[in-house]
Amino acid sequence: GDSVTQMEGPVTLSEEAFLTINCTYTATGYPSLFWYVQYPGEGLQLLLKATKADDKGSNKGFEATYRKETTSFHLEKGSVQVSDSAVYFCALSGLKIIFGKGTRLHILP
Amino acid sequence: KAGVTQTPRYLIKTRGQQVTLSCSPISGHRSVSWYQQTPGQGLQFLFEYFSETQRNKGNFPGRFSGRQFSNSRSEMNVSTLELGDSALYLCASSPGVAGDSGSYNEQFFGPGTRLTVL
Repeated sequence: GDSVTQMEGPVTLSEEAFLTINCTYTATGYPSLFWYVQYPGEGLQLLLKATKADDKGSNKGFEATYRKETTSFHLEKGSVQVSDSAVYFCALSGLKIIFGKGTRLHILP
Repeated sequence: KAGVTQTPRYLIKTRGQQVTLSCSPISGHRSVSWYQQTPGQGLQFLFEYFSETQRNKGNFPGRFSGRQFSNSRSEMNVSTLELGDSALYLCASSPGVAGDSGSYNEQFFGPGTRLTVL
């Protein structure tokens, strides 16, 4: 069945460092791909999405490109801030929506 | 537009009791999904309702049940609570479900209900 695998955390970086959180998927058909973010004490909120191969989703300085050839949707940001500390979930949407286990990100000032 | 609301936000119960959680979706959204989030298991799908019908179900025991009303509001019920049911229960709404294209719409999450079972 469909599945999402994302890198385990926690990931700890210093402010202004470059961020990559890896996400790979297996799916039949052509799913849409998402990154959600969960801040402490809150529900998940959509960060960005891509609906077809080679699409790039972007929001708040975060980017991810839908790579069909490598079945990946890695999340990147060029310069992280303390306020980016949160849990990040990769997800795919086909006949069902499947979430990865989440990656906790800590940014040190 | 108001977001997804969940009530109550916090709940403390004892083993053996039952609990009902409520979710009001975004106005116009007809699909409501429920998730259980724990530190050990992460985010796990419970079930999804669309137009008062259960469309998908996760791998949870029958103690977990849900329903959806004609106004799209949804409730989930957990009977005979166990310590392991302590979790954050998240509700998400979406305009629709898998349509002819086979793709789900974006999900909009509520803040969750934190259930503690003692």
